[in-house]
Amino acid sequence: EIVMTQSPATLSVSPGERVTLSCRASQSVNSNLAWYQQKLGQPPRLLIYGASTRATGLPARFSDSGSGTEFTLTISGLQSEDSAVYYCQQYNTWPFTFGPGTKVEIE
Amino acid sequence: EVQLVESGGGLVNPGGSLRLSCAASGLTFNNAWMSWVRQAPGKGLEWVGRFKSKTDGGTIDYTAPVKGRFTISRDDSKNTLYLQMNNLKIEDTAVYYCMTGGDHWGQGTLVTVSS
Repeated sequence: EIVMTQSPATLSVSPGERVTLSCRASQSVNSNLAWYQQKLGQPPRLLIYGASTRATGLPARFSDSGSGTEFTLTISGLQSEDSAVYYCQQYNTWPFTFGPGTKVEIE
Repeated sequence: EVQLVESGGGLVNPGGSLRLSCAASGLTFNNAWMSWVRQAPGKGLEWVGRFKSKTDGGTIDYTAPVKGRFTISRDDSKNTLYLQMNNLKIEDTAVYYCMTGGDHWGQGTLVTVSS
């Protein structure tokens, strides 16, 4: 099973700042990596998948990079509604696995 | 608009059984790969299993914690996905989500395993 790790576990930032979330896979997942945002009491929302394919309607402040085992999600110009937990997930090899998440808090 | 609506959750004793349903609309269900994903209270997301569309082989895959206890099935004539859960354990307590394509999720149904 491919183990996904994310760092940091929690991030506390001010509105307008830029944040970078990291995700690492225990073995290569090629570009088969997705990022989700989950707010309290809601199902996850797909943000980005594959070779940086953006979900419909995703604000331009969200971007990603990486392939293989190292990935990053960047939020430029953080807004209050971005407060959430962000998960990475690999879908290269079954069983598909999620990272433990990074909680982004707005100061 | 794609809608996925889960039902069937509730409180069950350890060792008991429960069947969840996921009613789908707004998509060509028989072509969709459908999955169950769960989330224990205050914890992260965990895949339970997936059911490929029949046109793509119709195979079903499970994750290790549920293999041999959970069974995923689908009725394409009813646009419905099922999750039969047997021999439930306390650690199966979670919100169970039905999902397809990564971008369509239901609101989830809570399963609580407790005596």
